[in-house]
Amino acid sequence: EVYLVESGGGLVQPGGSLRLSCATFGLSFSQTWMSWVRQAPGKGLEWVGRIKSKSAGGTTDYASPVKGRFTISRDDSKNTLYLQIDSLRTDDTALYFCATEYYTFHNHWGQGALVTVSS
Amino acid sequence: DIQMTQSPSILSASVGDKVTITCRASQNTNNWLAWYQQKPGKAPKVLIYEASTLETGVPSRFSGSGSGTEFTLTISSLQPDDFATYYCQHYNGYSWTFGQGTRVEIK
Repeated sequence: EVYLVESGGGLVQPGGSLRLSCATFGLSFSQTWMSWVRQAPGKGLEWVGRIKSKSAGGTTDYASPVKGRFTISRDDSKNTLYLQIDSLRTDDTALYFCATEYYTFHNHWGQGALVTVSS
Repeated sequence: DIQMTQSPSILSASVGDKVTITCRASQNTNNWLAWYQQKPGKAPKVLIYEASTLETGVPSRFSGSGSGTEFTLTISSLQPDDFATYYCQHYNGYSWTFGQGTRVEIK
């Protein structure tokens, strides 16, 4: 069975940085394309970005609102996905989910890591 | 950028009702359209992908239809476990866009 476990969330001041991790279990991580999706409190889902497998180039794509501040990376030796968030803003406050991509949709999701940006 | 618009935003229904949620795209989607169910405090769960393919393990009361720019999620007979928020999602080859969500609540 596939499990995704996010960690690293917390309370951060505006302008600060944070790195989220997503540990994966039960899948061939190195071959899996991965995404981050966030959800602000009481709001809908917003795709943040993705990273392809290294065999597909390991390239990243980002949503326009986060481009330049968010960096997605992966460590295939640890079966772990990362999201580095810099220059945090109050509107980055959200539950951040990691998810596996399966062609045109996301088939496995973690439980989410809460990031709160506040002074 | 493509816009995905769901209607209604809130839907009140009773157990046993047939429920229909619509998702309209601002441009052609190539039918790369998925539907998710999300319950409070939980991760989304995929129900339908590529407009009409039922994900493994999802009850057959859920169905998806449509093509191009207009899609529908139908629940044939609403069950107590189905009260949740539903999202459509489009993939364009390098990014995803979600609809704003439809909350299905108890009438």
